[in-house]
Amino acid sequence: EDQVTQSPEALRLQEGESSSLNCSYTVSGLRGLFWYRQDPGKGPEFLFTLYSAGEEKEKERLKATLTKKESFLHITAPKPEDSATYLCAALNGGFNKFYFGSGTKLNVKP
Amino acid sequence: EAQVTQNPRYLITVTGKKLTVTCSQNMNHEYMSWYRQDPGLGLRQIYYSMNVEVTDKGDVPEGYKVSRKEKRNFPLILESPSPNQTSLYFCASSFGGRNEQFFGPGTRLTVL
Repeated sequence: EDQVTQSPEALRLQEGESSSLNCSYTVSGLRGLFWYRQDPGKGPEFLFTLYSAGEEKEKERLKATLTKKESFLHITAPKPEDSATYLCAALNGGFNKFYFGSGTKLNVKP
Repeated sequence: EAQVTQNPRYLITVTGKKLTVTCSQNMNHEYMSWYRQDPGLGLRQIYYSMNVEVTDKGDVPEGYKVSRKEKRNFPLILESPSPNQTSLYFCASSFGGRNEQFFGPGTRLTVL
């Protein structure tokens, strides 16, 4: 069964305290692993797409990596404005279907 | 401005009363999709469309219908809503399935 699991469910960090969010996936013929940010009351906003194991992408304080079983979103020296729920999604190769994890709610305290 | 719009944003209805949630995008995207978001369950895909007149079931299609008669519009139809369809619904679009999706602002539906 195709599924995506994210951990932890919630993460509280002090400003400047780096950490990583995990996304484990079991999806047939993965065609892409996506990271989104969701602020309260809004739709998800795109962050990264990773297409193959070993690929890495960076944007400001965020860096996403991909292996054959999981993806990590590394947050370096976070700021309070990084507080949000981070979602990962896997695209099934055969059917163009997306499977989302339930998200990690990040709270960065000043 | 490039965007995905949904209407209505909020809806309270009663069991069995047919309703339609509209979704429109102005980016000429081929791929469009509907999701529901429930606490602890994350986003679950209801239906998706690769292009006009091409639709397919996502993970939780029961109780929903869709149509794609025009490239820009992808309405979600609940012919006989039930309380278990109370949820936050998002429409999204992209250039093909492998690319980033742009999400609408969401429709909060309550079925009494």
